[in-house]
Amino acid sequence: RKEVEQDPGPFNVPEGATVAFNCTYSNSASQSFFWYRQDCRKEPKLLMSVYSSGNEDGRFTAQLNRASQYISLLIRDSKLSDSATYLCVVRLYGSSNTGKLIFGQGTTLQVKP
Amino acid sequence: DGGITQSPKYLFRKEGQNVTLSCEQNLNHDAMYWYRQDPGQGLRLIYYSQIVNDFQKGDIAEGYSVSREKKESFPLTVTSAQKNPTAFYLCASRGMADRGLYTQYFGPGTRLTVL
Repeated sequence: RKEVEQDPGPFNVPEGATVAFNCTYSNSASQSFFWYRQDCRKEPKLLMSVYSSGNEDGRFTAQLNRASQYISLLIRDSKLSDSATYLCVVRLYGSSNTGKLIFGQGTTLQVKP
Repeated sequence: DGGITQSPKYLFRKEGQNVTLSCEQNLNHDAMYWYRQDPGQGLRLIYYSQIVNDFQKGDIAEGYSVSREKKESFPLTVTSAQKNPTAFYLCASRGMADRGLYTQYFGPGTRLTVL
């Protein structure tokens, strides 16, 4: 079983749609959670952190459910510019992990006009 | 501007050659990382360094070597022992996100192709 699992998609949605991505993680030592965005042939860029209390940044909302080991990202009013691959990222703590990041394979979003 | 730079952007290598990928950061970050990304796969950790003159193997270190002589620099050498070196190589350094959380920030990457 992969440590961080995402539905690879692609998710094809029309402009203005609301789309949700899910991610599950297996390591209970996971302590910090993030969503990154990666455009085609570019580096990943931090989109937002994820907290148990939720985190909202404009059209983007991230949620964490520690009991279920589940992370989500909701994008409202999708724009063409939202087309990218979204990476779910988990940071492990502990002396043996040294803050290692575990990356999901990514979920591809294609927003159509 | 502060940031992470990688060079070259594209690199072509003949089989049997060693090549060195450059990574420099002026963010004053202590920890630096090297990943490779293959099509359809997630990022895999090659090597990381928590501090100058110290580094540890990641999950796929075989066929690679690194050095960390300066805080700003963390070069990666892809040796001829690496069996499948064609990939997108990403360097990162660790910095603060928000609310005291630390995460990693990436350079623009080097795309290596072995001919």
